[in-house]
Amino acid sequence: AQSVTQLDSQVPVFEEAPVELRCNYSSSVSVYLFWYVQYPNQGLQLLLKYLSGSTLVKGINGFEAEFNKSQTSFHLRKPSVHISDTAEYFCAVSDADQGAQKLVFGQGTRLTINP
Amino acid sequence: DGGITQSPKYLFRKEGQNVTLSCEQNLNHDAMYWYRQDPGQGLRLIYYSQIVNDFQKGDIAEGYSVSREKKESFPLTVTSAQKNPTAFYLCASRSRASSYEQYFGPGTRLTVT
Repeated sequence: AQSVTQLDSQVPVFEEAPVELRCNYSSSVSVYLFWYVQYPNQGLQLLLKYLSGSTLVKGINGFEAEFNKSQTSFHLRKPSVHISDTAEYFCAVSDADQGAQKLVFGQGTRLTINP
Repeated sequence: DGGITQSPKYLFRKEGQNVTLSCEQNLNHDAMYWYRQDPGQGLRLIYYSQIVNDFQKGDIAEGYSVSREKKESFPLTVTSAQKNPTAFYLCASRSRASSYEQYFGPGTRLTVT
């Protein structure tokens, strides 16, 4: 069975500072990895995804993530955050061999940007 | 505009009543999903459907039921057997042919008292 651990439930950061949201996964098979963002009382929006190829993946809103197979990690980074980045962020994993039929989500990380 | 709609946005029910949450998509996606979101627990899969007239239980299906009579629609019924139904419910869909990510609706917040 697959699982995802987001190591920080809350991350406070000052505006224009860099941020890293950590994600580790557990799986015995090849995986696809995703980061989603959720603004208050809304659905989830895809930030970026790793399917194959380059381990550094760039997404929307200036975010990027790096797939590290040996450390089973997929950490999300942004070099300079904005107030509008305040949201909850979810890491998710799916089984590549089953065509990403199902997603398993982490518990989420609440990112708070302070002025 | 293509997308997923969920209605209503907020829903209030008395304990012991069944309630049905609507999910409609016009993305022509084959697969549809229902998740439950509780604070600090991420999203948990309730039911999913890969094709019309077929669906599978997810991790927390007890107390819920679904149907998939049309490709566009995947309603979720929260029955009186669900012990703790108050939560935020999210519907999602995915194209099996062309992509791997799921697209999410805006959610329905259900409060049962």
